[in-house]
Amino acid sequence: SQQGEEDPQALSIQEGENATMNCSYKTSINNLQWYRQNSGRGLVHLILIRSNEREKHSGRLRVTLDTSKKSSSLLITASRAADTASYFCATDAIQGAQKLVFGQGTRLTINP
Amino acid sequence: DAGVIQSPRHEVTEMGQEVTLRCKPISGHNSLFWYRQTMMRGLELLIYFNNNVPIDDSGMPEDRFSAKMPNASFSTLKIQPSEPRDSAVYFCASSFSRPEGYTFGSGTRLTVV
Repeated sequence: SQQGEEDPQALSIQEGENATMNCSYKTSINNLQWYRQNSGRGLVHLILIRSNEREKHSGRLRVTLDTSKKSSSLLITASRAADTASYFCATDAIQGAQKLVFGQGTRLTINP
Repeated sequence: DAGVIQSPRHEVTEMGQEVTLRCKPISGHNSLFWYRQTMMRGLELLIYFNNNVPIDDSGMPEDRFSAKMPNASFSTLKIQPSEPRDSAVYFCASSFSRPEGYTFGSGTRLTVV
């Protein structure tokens, strides 16, 4: 079964608002990564947070990691129409032998 | 760097035909991954290579699927014979050593009719 599960499956907000997506996973990890996928395109790496980190920022992105709850969140501040995409979390499990397992993704729509 | 290059971008084939998907990873990356994406099953890891050696092929659906990496700059995923349920988008990705972030290709959209 999938290691990561995103929540919600779909999110629709107005431009300028903040978007929060959540990810839960099952096993101990080395790191957790977030990716974006625009329609019809490949996935693009956004940010990586290691198991010993609790929060990380990159531009308008803020990622948190709670290893005790096996969960992560991705916050996109001041959303733009160009942020419309699917967002996936991916985990590098300690027992995973160098491979990422992706969740089902959250479909984010930013309305102008 | 041109990124991970996959070909073809689109492939339409008849059931029973052989299909070969191709991937050129980023130069210097020593790990290569083949994923399949469908609406129903999401992103599934099919197989991955490290230093051209297959490490884990447990995700390959059945014997109809095979993958090779003859050198560090080229990999193929072959389906023979193809079936309609193989219709999906197939992605190739590469990374350097322990995954610090994959670089994905644009994918091959396969339709088997």
